[in-house]
Amino acid sequence: EIVLTQSPGTLSLSPGERATLSCWASQSVTGSRLAWYQQKSGQAPRLLIYDVSSRATGIPDRFSGSGSGTAFTLTISRLEPEDFAVYYCQQYGTSLYTFGPGTKLEIK
Amino acid sequence: QVQLQESGPGPVKPSETLSLTCFVSGDSVSRGNEYWSWIRQPPGKGLEWIGHMFYTGRTNYNPSLKSRVSISIDTFNNQFSLKLVSVTVADTAVYYCARFDTSGWFDPWGQGTRVTVSS
Repeated sequence: EIVLTQSPGTLSLSPGERATLSCWASQSVTGSRLAWYQQKSGQAPRLLIYDVSSRATGIPDRFSGSGSGTAFTLTISRLEPEDFAVYYCQQYGTSLYTFGPGTKLEIK
Repeated sequence: QVQLQESGPGPVKPSETLSLTCFVSGDSVSRGNEYWSWIRQPPGKGLEWIGHMFYTGRTNYNPSLKSRVSISIDTFNNQFSLKLVSVTVADTAVYYCARFDTSGWFDPWGQGTRVTVSS
């Protein structure tokens, strides 16, 4: 099982700032098989990024993903008020799909 | 627009069976391009993939739940279901259904249904 860890656990920033969220895998994630989701309070997760860096339909270009192997990053270039939420990474490099514990992005 | 909607019983007693159904609109569960999945989120915790099914009957379950879980598809009513037997309080969670792209990501998700296991 590939275990994902995310850092930081909580990130406090202001609107307009740049957010950098990290996701680390316990072993190499093959084939760039990593996705990112956003979950707002009381809502279901929403797909943001798949295949490390491809934005899902309708996702603004201020969201970008990068990384390879065991280290991945979600960057939000300029935070909007609606971006404050919990973000999860998910790997699909193996047939046991796992999620990270999440990073809470909160307003400073 | 594809939409998924879970329905379920609400409270469940320990040792009983949890049964949930996910209704799909805007897509066909037998179209053949996706799997149909269940994911859960215990209170205040992260996400756990439970398993998924292809319309032909092919399944893939999380090994940690495999002995207790089954997923089925009803192509006539365009829905799929989850059964989890012998539940305990540890199975208390919000349960989500989701479409699983064969490439590996979940999109879209249902709004989730809260299931509480309590005596």
